[in-house]
Amino acid sequence: QKEVEQDPGPLSVPEGAIVSLNCTYSNSAFQYFMWYRQYSRKGPELLMYTYSSGNKEDGRFTAQVDKSSKYISLFIRDSQPSDSATYLCAMTGGSNYKLTFGKGTLLTVNP
Amino acid sequence: DTAVSQTPKYLVTQMGNDKSIKCEQNLGHDTMYWYKQDSKKFLKIMFSYNNKELIINETVPNRFSPKSPDKAHLNLHINSLELGDSAVYFCASSPPAGGPNEQFFGPGTRLTVL
Repeated sequence: QKEVEQDPGPLSVPEGAIVSLNCTYSNSAFQYFMWYRQYSRKGPELLMYTYSSGNKEDGRFTAQVDKSSKYISLFIRDSQPSDSATYLCAMTGGSNYKLTFGKGTLLTVNP
Repeated sequence: DTAVSQTPKYLVTQMGNDKSIKCEQNLGHDTMYWYKQDSKKFLKIMFSYNNKELIINETVPNRFSPKSPDKAHLNLHINSLELGDSAVYFCASSPPAGGPNEQFFGPGTRLTVL
């Protein structure tokens, strides 16, 4: 079993839809859970991170972590064409330097 | 001002050649990384340096050799390039460990080996 599993998609939704992106993981030492967004031909940029279990909201984006199920989600409300990108989940134990990434989900929001 | 910069942006070369990619960060971070992203977008860590000391060295062929002349620079030299080395190589930097390890990525170097 891979440490981090993420459905690569692609996912195509109409503008204004609610998008749900998910990752599962196997390493219970992970404590920080991140979502990166990568536009085509650009480097990944951090969207938001969550420590341990719980929810975090930032504008139209909400990150959820359920450590008991080893499952994390990113919700995008009122999705816009500018949200079209690859979304990568990433996680770390915090005490080392290594981030473990999912394979990324390609999202297209159609106008 | 670009936080993490890489040169060159594109690199097209023949099999068997040797090439280098350079990375610089102006964020004052102590830790820098090299990642390889294949055609399926999978981002895989290759190396990490903390204050010029190698701290992560994943299973990477010996043909790849990183070098950190100072904590703001991390270069990657590749010997005897092979077709399978074609990918996008990203440099990143981060603050000290003990937190979320937020990594800031450069724009990438797209390497094509013919």
